[in-house]
Amino acid sequence: AQTVTQSQPEMSVQEAETVTLSCTYDTSESDYYLFWYKQPPSRQMILVIRQEAYKQQNATENRFSVNFQKAAKSFSLKISDSQLGDAAMYFCAYRAGRDDKIIFGKGTRLHILP
Amino acid sequence: DTGVSQNPRHKITKRGQNVTFRCDPISEHNRLYWYRQTLGQGPEFLTYFQNEAQLEKSRLLSDRFSAERPKGSFSTLEIQRTEQGDSAMYLCASSPRGLGTGEQFFGPGTRLTVL
Repeated sequence: AQTVTQSQPEMSVQEAETVTLSCTYDTSESDYYLFWYKQPPSRQMILVIRQEAYKQQNATENRFSVNFQKAAKSFSLKISDSQLGDAAMYFCAYRAGRDDKIIFGKGTRLHILP
Repeated sequence: DTGVSQNPRHKITKRGQNVTFRCDPISEHNRLYWYRQTLGQGPEFLTYFQNEAQLEKSRLLSDRFSAERPKGSFSTLEIQRTEQGDSAMYLCASSPRGLGTGEQFFGPGTRLTVL
């Protein structure tokens, strides 16, 4: 069965600093997608960044980047120059290429300290 | 606004009552998904539609739950004889034709509280 594990229930970071959120997953598929979704308090979930498994290059979106280690089945999110608006619940998620449903981790609540 | 919309945003009901939620996906998105999110957990897949066809149902979707998507547009999720364990956020998402980039676009959710 495919699983996604986020081992950090909560994290805090000083504004303008860098923080890394961890995620590991388990799958026997070779074709899949990995995502980081952000869910701000009382607001809807939005996609932060996406990684296709066949791409070796780590995805980057402005201040957000990932460290995708396919052999280790690890997919961490790095947020640089943290801002107050980054405070949210972050979910690591997986979708097999041949499947439609997304499997989510339990999430990491990120606090930004001013 | 062209995002996914859900109504109502909040629903409080008494145990044993029936409730129905609605989801309007992004126009032209032929895939529509329902997820359930309980406190402190990530969303869990319930079911999904491709156009009007319901193609997959999770074992989480007991026989008290039913979902429809008539004409392949909006979708409804009905829970009959609600139980306190049904209290959760119900999220709807949609994605465009073809599996594409794999991304799903989420609505704001309906928070259900069963007293």
